[in-house]
Amino acid sequence: DAMVIQNPRYQVTQFGKPVTLSCSQTLNHNVMYWYQQKSSQAPKLLFHYYDKDFNNEADTPDNFQSRRPNTSFCFLDIRSPGLGDAAMYLCATSRGGSLYEQYFGPGTRLTVT
Amino acid sequence: AQTVTQSQPEMSVQEAETVTLSCTYDTSENNYYLFWYKQPPSRQMILVIRQEAYKQQNATENRFSVNFQKAAKSFSLKISDSQLGDTAMYFCACVYGGSQGNLIFGKGTKLSVKP
Repeated sequence: DAMVIQNPRYQVTQFGKPVTLSCSQTLNHNVMYWYQQKSSQAPKLLFHYYDKDFNNEADTPDNFQSRRPNTSFCFLDIRSPGLGDAAMYLCATSRGGSLYEQYFGPGTRLTVT
Repeated sequence: AQTVTQSQPEMSVQEAETVTLSCTYDTSENNYYLFWYKQPPSRQMILVIRQEAYKQQNATENRFSVNFQKAAKSFSLKISDSQLGDTAMYFCACVYGGSQGNLIFGKGTKLSVKP
C-alpha cells in the first residue's frame, strides 16, 4: 500500500547532540511537510517542500533544518536539541495546493535527555 | 493571521449516540478550505471530512457531517451512530486557498466513545 513512513518511531537523543529524523513516501506527492506536535497540543508546521522548493515558517527556530534529496525522502535535522524540542514529529505529504488532503505518517517521538 | 479554535478539550458519548464537536475560525480570506482530521491513540492522523468555503452545501461522509456556517465562521462536526473506533483526538484545520496546503490546526478535542 502507498504510504508515508517515518523512521525511527522513537528516538532518544542527548541534549545538544544532533539528530536526524527521516520520512519517506510511496505516494509520489509533490509536497512534503514537517510538523511538531507537543503533548496535548495542535500540530505546528515547521516547514515544507514543494518539489525542491523549501518553505520555512517564520517562527521555526534555526536549530531545525530539512533536506529533500529526492521526491520520496525528506529529512528533519535538529542541530542542537534542547529539552524543549522533545515532541512528536509528524511528516505529511500532499499532491500540492490547499485543496488536497494531507497524508500523515505515524510520527517520530523524540525524547531529549 | 488565521486562527482555529476548538472550545471543547474533551468530550464523551455513548456508543450509537450522536455527538457534535465545535470549531470556529477566523480568517479575512474568501478562498479557504476547512478540514476535520482524526488522530486515534498511537495511530496516524487521517482526514475525516473536507469543506470548500465557496460551497454552501454541508459536506457529508457516511456517519460524519459538518454544519458550516460561513457568516458565523463556524464549522462543527457531527458524528452519528458513534462507534468505539471513533475514539480519538479530532482536529479542526483551515488552509488558505492560494497556499501550498499549510494547515492551521485547532488544539483538538479528545473524544471518548463509551460502550
